Amino acid sequence: DTEVTQTPKHLVMGMTNKKSLKCEQHMGHRAMYWYKQKAKKPPELMFVYSYEKLSINESVPSRFSPECPNSSLLNLHLHALQPEDSALYLCASSQAYPDRGITDTQYFGPGTRLTVL
Amino acid sequence: QKEVEQNSGPLSVPEGAIASLNCTYSDRGSQSFFWYRQYSGKSPELIMSIYSNGDKEDGRFTAQLNKASQYVSLLIRDSQPSDSATYLCAVGRLSGTYKYIFGTGTRLKVLA
Repeated sequence: DTEVTQTPKHLVMGMTNKKSLKCEQHMGHRAMYWYKQKAKKPPELMFVYSYEKLSINESVPSRFSPECPNSSLLNLHLHALQPEDSALYLCASSQAYPDRGITDTQYFGPGTRLTVL
Repeated sequence: QKEVEQNSGPLSVPEGAIASLNCTYSDRGSQSFFWYRQYSGKSPELIMSIYSNGDKEDGRFTAQLNKASQYVSLLIRDSQPSDSATYLCAVGRLSGTYKYIFGTGTRLKVLA
């Protein structure tokens, strides 16, 4: 089973709202990722969690706050977003082999389409 | 120079033809290479991964890797209209942790 699930599928929020995006995988993967994708652009990496620890933050504004409660779950908390933050937010997961130096295949969830008014 | 480069297209091929998609990368330390297909408004779907020089075949898809020339390609045989999508090349490397560098994608149109 190579399934990553994301909720909600669509989200509309105002600039003063607080909301959260959720991602779940049951493949035993120990690396999880958040990407942001704008129309006609490739996915842009935001955060990487490896073994439940934040290992990469690609200089993302603090209005985006990731959280990894356990090895299967990844959240992205949103607060005071701007209209330019409207995008498709993708979660992905992969196996992690820190001792082998191999980047493993990432499997993407269906994404959350976020609109900020 | 971009780290991973793809021709944005659109690449138009007739139904039944072979579609050839190319990707070049700049970091010789890159270790793994992936092709994803993405339909409009959907998430990327893995087609192939390749780690060693040479060809790797899976059904109608063949990935080719040439590390000396720093390119990876994807051939789609017997192209179907349902193959019309954007194809993303991703190059993976270990830089502290696992990281993909995506190309900008090539839009493929298969004409019926």
